[in-house]
Amino acid sequence: AQSVTQPDIHITVSEGASLELRCNYSYGATPYLFWYVQSPGQGLQLLLKYFSGDTLVQGIKGFEAEFKRSQSSFNLRKPSVHWSDAAEYFCAVGAMEYGNKLVFGAGTILRVKS
Amino acid sequence: DTAVSQTPKYLVTQMGNDKSIKCEQNLGHDTMYWYKQDSKKFLKIMFSYNNKELIINETVPNRFSPKSPDKAHLNLHINSLELGDSAVYFCASSHSTGSNYGYTFGSGTRLTVV
Repeated sequence: AQSVTQPDIHITVSEGASLELRCNYSYGATPYLFWYVQSPGQGLQLLLKYFSGDTLVQGIKGFEAEFKRSQSSFNLRKPSVHWSDAAEYFCAVGAMEYGNKLVFGAGTILRVKS
Repeated sequence: DTAVSQTPKYLVTQMGNDKSIKCEQNLGHDTMYWYKQDSKKFLKIMFSYNNKELIINETVPNRFSPKSPDKAHLNLHINSLELGDSAVYFCASSHSTGSNYGYTFGSGTRLTVV
């Protein structure tokens, strides 16, 4: 069965500090990997995605993520967090073999303290 | 121009009523989806349509009936609403193939059943 695990429900970081949000997946097919961000009361915005090739992908708002096949991980990173990054972050996995269905993790709430 | 638009944004209704949520995308995508986000922010796919054809139908009560009149529209009709249907419903669209695969989400419809 396909599953996505985001081990951290909440993370609090100081403004200007670095950030890493963890994501692990279990998938029977070659996965496509995504990170989305959701601000309170808003929809989901795509931060970045990985299909193939370079395992380090760059996204919007200064975010990057690294695909590590051996660890079944796709962790999201940002070198310096801004207060406006406070939101909920969702990792998602999909594959053409599963009808393009995206399976989402439970989300990680990021709090930024000044 | 809004890429994926849902109406209404908020919907408050009584148990037993029937209601519809509409979704339209102007991205030229061939696949559209309905996702449900529960009170714990967990996102789960309900339905997926590709060029008006139903391709994913998860274990959703048959009180929920999607309708896709054309590939730019996917509506969700809910009969005999129950308290447990209260959630945020997200419409999304994507290309079905290629590296453009990746959802664009609408801003959501918050359904409250009282």
